[in-house]
Amino acid sequence: EAGVVQSPRYKIIEKKQPVAFWCNPISGHNTLYWYRQNLGQGPELLIRYENEEAVDDSQLPKDRFSAERLKGVDSTLKIQPAELGDSAVYLCASSLGPPSTQYFGPGTRLTVL
Amino acid sequence: AQKITQTQPGMFVQEKEAVTLDCTYDTSDQSYGLFWYKQPSSGEMIFLIYQGSYDEQNATEGRYSLNFQKARKSANLVISASQLGDSAMYFCAMREVPSGGSYIPTFGRGTSLIVHP
Repeated sequence: EAGVVQSPRYKIIEKKQPVAFWCNPISGHNTLYWYRQNLGQGPELLIRYENEEAVDDSQLPKDRFSAERLKGVDSTLKIQPAELGDSAVYLCASSLGPPSTQYFGPGTRLTVL
Repeated sequence: AQKITQTQPGMFVQEKEAVTLDCTYDTSDQSYGLFWYKQPSSGEMIFLIYQGSYDEQNATEGRYSLNFQKARKSANLVISASQLGDSAMYFCAMREVPSGGSYIPTFGRGTSLIVHP
């Protein structure tokens, strides 16, 4: 069974530029999570989707971050405009439901110059 | 306040020895779950083991076991017979299920484990 797929794996951009990350969860997993992991820290939840519905998005900086999950499968996380402090690894995870074990993708390492 | 505390920034262990990685947690919920993940240098978070708050027995998965002490609110990971491939960051995480509240999983800051040959 294929795991969680993320692209790109690495992205380097100049500040104020837009950037987007894509995630394809494990087939059949209703719940999808986006996390940000700063250097030397554990992951912090940005947003959780239950099918197409965004829930638990209180930690998403909505002035510059947006996310969507069309048709309840793939998801895209966007930052516009990016700031230097956005440099981090962005992890996507999926699970059968909120209480279930989350399975993570390889992450996208973003560097903002 | 930190919900998950991992007090060991780094640990060293000799190959084939056992090692314990510490994790303490803070919650007022009765129903919660505790997880351990491994993150090698490649960056992917790999699920290792899960312990539910109502589980009476400590969880085990191969060489991994979770030493769950509910009264002390600790959930230490024990790796037996360490291997060189165990060198990685290890994260403890908690899933709370508050009634009527949002579900936000929380992670600790991690412990870096280095296994020496």
